[in-house]
Amino acid sequence: DAKTTQPPSMDCAEGRAANLPCNHSTISGNEYVYWYRQIHSQGPQYIIHGLKNNETNEMASLIITEDRKSSTLILPHATLRDTAVYYCIVFLSYNQGGKLIFGQGTELSVKP
Amino acid sequence: KAGVTQTPRYLIKTRGQQVTLSCSPISGHRSVSWYQQTPGQGLQFLFEYFSETQRNKGNFPGRFSGRQFSNSRSEMNVSTLELGDSALYLCASSLGQGDGTQPQHFGDGTRLSIL
Repeated sequence: DAKTTQPPSMDCAEGRAANLPCNHSTISGNEYVYWYRQIHSQGPQYIIHGLKNNETNEMASLIITEDRKSSTLILPHATLRDTAVYYCIVFLSYNQGGKLIFGQGTELSVKP
Repeated sequence: KAGVTQTPRYLIKTRGQQVTLSCSPISGHRSVSWYQQTPGQGLQFLFEYFSETQRNKGNFPGRFSGRQFSNSRSEMNVSTLELGDSALYLCASSLGQGDGTQPQHFGDGTRLSIL
């Protein structure tokens, strides 16, 4: 079972910041939070991951709360090409199965 | 740097047949994981190979098997195909430390249709 909860869909205006929330209240201390996105008929694309600290790369920023029970993915200037399903995932370390547990994700629609 | 390559991209089989899917990981990656994606069940973990050994396995029947070669390329085999095996099969590779510090990178999958 997925260890994360996300809203099923969100809309965002082109050029504005998209803030995608995720709850992971049962996360363990050494489990990473990962974000992927999937555009129809393609494989999931890695976006960003983090453990405790906020992270930023060329694609997005990841804000993790101090208690680690939730996080937010921020796309600073959304474009139409950012329309996709976004998955927030807790990575289970290899002594727990070593796998990404995907939930249903958030379908983000970026509108002009 | 080339990404994860999966072949073939599309495949049509009939019930009872078997199928083999191939995955070439990113150069230097030693771990290969396989996932099944269906509209009803979403993305589900099948198994993971590291250094030619199956390291982890999901909850799929024994008809689903895999192997990894010394060059880290991996194959997945499904025997006695059923209609419910119609899905997008995704392969992902990583350096494979096992602690979650390094991401998995996915190919674009093989879409398998069972008639």
